[in-house]
Amino acid sequence: GQNIDQPTEMTATEGAIVQINCTYQTSGFNGLFWYQQHAGEAPTFLSYNVLDGLEEKGRFSSFLSRSKGYSYLLLKELQMKDSASYLCALPTTDSWGKLQFGAGTQVVVTP
Amino acid sequence: KAGVTQTPRYLIKTRGQQVTLSCSPISGHRSVSWYQQTPGQGLQFLFEYFSETQRNKGNFPGRFSGRQFSNSRSEMNVSTLELGDSALYLCASSGPGQGPYEQYFGPGTRLTVT
Repeated sequence: GQNIDQPTEMTATEGAIVQINCTYQTSGFNGLFWYQQHAGEAPTFLSYNVLDGLEEKGRFSSFLSRSKGYSYLLLKELQMKDSASYLCALPTTDSWGKLQFGAGTQVVVTP
Repeated sequence: KAGVTQTPRYLIKTRGQQVTLSCSPISGHRSVSWYQQTPGQGLQFLFEYFSETQRNKGNFPGRFSGRQFSNSRSEMNVSTLELGDSALYLCASSGPGQGPYEQYFGPGTRLTVT
């Protein structure tokens, strides 16, 4: 089975940096996804990590440590539009189409 | 390239009725997955179809079923609706092959059961 933990909510100021942690336990690791979901909208893909280390994509970076069962999503130069829920998700080992999602971290960006 | 489309966007049904939701994946995508999203349970996997075959099923009762057509379009059906089935139902497509691929989500169908 799989278990995923994320903080429920984080608040940060516009222009600041926020780090969203995700810890997981899984019997078979097949990479880790991060998705962003604005209220009332569909989730959109942010990043996929399968190897240890940091991957940078503009203002967003994602880090993975497979030995620690740990990932984080780093949001830099926060903007108001970054206020959203951020979801950590694990695919199963038998199918990319089956994702188990964490409960999501609601990020609130204040002026 | 057109995104994932879902119809209808909103639906109100009465307990005991049944409902069919439709999903058209991105052209060329062969995998279609369905998820239920509620405030209490978050995003939960319902099932996945690949080339008209159900490849995975989540932990939902048999009242939830689905199918995929030869053009990769998919439908899900919920019979004997219960109040607890009120949720946002999201469809996601990926492909064209086996992966790894990110999933592209449709806007969802918001189902309200009264």
